[in-house]
Amino acid sequence: QKEVEQNSGPLSVPEGAIASLNCTYSDRGSQSFFWYRQYSGKSPELIMSIYSNGDKEDGRFTAQLNKASQYVSLLIRDSQPSDSATYLCAVMVYEKLTFGTGTRLTIIP
Amino acid sequence: DAGVTQSPTHLIKTRGQQVTLRCSPKSGHDTVSWYQQALGQGPQFIFQYYEEEERQRGNFPDRFSGHQFPNYSSELNVNALLLGDSALYLCASSPLTGNSYEQYFGPGTRLTVT
Repeated sequence: QKEVEQNSGPLSVPEGAIASLNCTYSDRGSQSFFWYRQYSGKSPELIMSIYSNGDKEDGRFTAQLNKASQYVSLLIRDSQPSDSATYLCAVMVYEKLTFGTGTRLTIIP
Repeated sequence: DAGVTQSPTHLIKTRGQQVTLRCSPKSGHDTVSWYQQALGQGPQFIFQYYEEEERQRGNFPDRFSGHQFPNYSSELNVNALLLGDSALYLCASSPLTGNSYEQYFGPGTRLTVT
C-alpha cells in the first residue's frame, strides 16, 4: 500500500462547478497535511495546510480532514480555468513530507 | 520578501559525471529540504538540513549528498550520474521553530543526464 494515494485523474469539471480532490494516507501517526498546486513545468505551490479534524476554508478552497478514516480532501468552489493544474496531497510524518502522485484537474470553460 | 531561489534552472550532464545544485531559502527560514520529482510523479524526499547538519534522509543512495552553509543556503551533490537521475530537483524551505511545518518550494532545477 502506498503511503499517500490519490486518484491520478484526469478530473474534468465545468467552469463554475465544485471540484473535489481526494487523498488517503496509511500512517496513523501523520499529523500535518498539505495541498500543493503544480502547473505544468512549474514547481509545487502550497495552497492549503490542515492539522485538525474538520474543515478549513481559505477563499474558494476548503480542506477537509478525517483522521479516523485517514482521509483528506480539497474542495475548489466556483472553479476557474486557472485552476487547471495537478494537485498534490502531502502528508508529514516525523517531519518528513510524503507526496501522492497528484491528481490532474482540468476546468472546462 | 524573497522566496526560495535555485540555480541553475537547467542542466545537462553525461552519465558518470558529478553535479552540484544550489538553493537559497526564503527569508526567515532555516531548514532546507531537497526533493526529486520524476515526470508524472510526486516529489520524493531526498534529505533535510538544519543547523548545517543532515536531520533526515529518504531512500536515496550515498551518491546523493548535501551541505548547508551558515547563511542557511544549501547544496545538493550527485556523483556518478545515472540516466535515471534525470528529474526536476526541488528545494523547499521551512521555519523549524514555531508550529508551522509548511514547506515552500523554489522553482527547481531540471537535470537531464545523457
